[in-house]
Amino acid sequence: DAKTTQPNSMESNEEEPVHLPCNHSTISGTDYIHWYRQLPSQGPEYVIHGLTSNVNNRMASLAIAEDRKSSTLILHRATLRDAAVYYCILSASMNYGGSQGNLIFGKGTKLSVKP
Amino acid sequence: EAQVTQNPRYLITVTGKKLTVTCSQNMNHEYMSWYRQDPGLGLRQIYYSMNVEVTDKGDVPEGYKVSRKEKRNFPLILESPSPNQTSLYFCASSLSRGGMNTEAFFGQGTRLTVV
Repeated sequence: DAKTTQPNSMESNEEEPVHLPCNHSTISGTDYIHWYRQLPSQGPEYVIHGLTSNVNNRMASLAIAEDRKSSTLILHRATLRDAAVYYCILSASMNYGGSQGNLIFGKGTKLSVKP
Repeated sequence: EAQVTQNPRYLITVTGKKLTVTCSQNMNHEYMSWYRQDPGLGLRQIYYSMNVEVTDKGDVPEGYKVSRKEKRNFPLILESPSPNQTSLYFCASSLSRGGMNTEAFFGQGTRLTVV
């Protein structure tokens, strides 16, 4: 599986935007970019995913670089509830065999939000 | 409400005593998987299942068994638990594996202690 690189930790102030970066220089053409987060004492939670175009949903926005070698998860207004570990994951199309397509979690970025 | 339900949430057991952690989803998802989470090692996939009667090993399958007799259920079986299987376990399900349809839903976790 293609690897991702994320900062170990980031800090943000409440009600300010947060930009969480992810590098994936070895991404293949069929890899989707997924973001999950894990709040303390909970299971991971889906945030957003995309392939080539930027994506928006009620939780966040995903900005994907034109060459797809990096992406940024954008939380428009951080709240205390957004403090979590954020994982950037690449997942290949289901048409591929083997373990490609499984969600393989890295270490993620621990986001702290200050009041 | 769409959900993945794991039971039990907490379990303390003794070495060698067979146990089963149940996982059930109500979304008619084809793909289900099990992860374990350990400090410093993150989330690692144990087993996954692409559909009924189709299971395969993840990254850390040793000491575990699974079965998928029905679409909604994916139990994790520890035939002879050992202390190194003390961990936090998560079950997940999604419509399919990989690609665009992989919004995965995770259970609340099972904290297992083997003494």
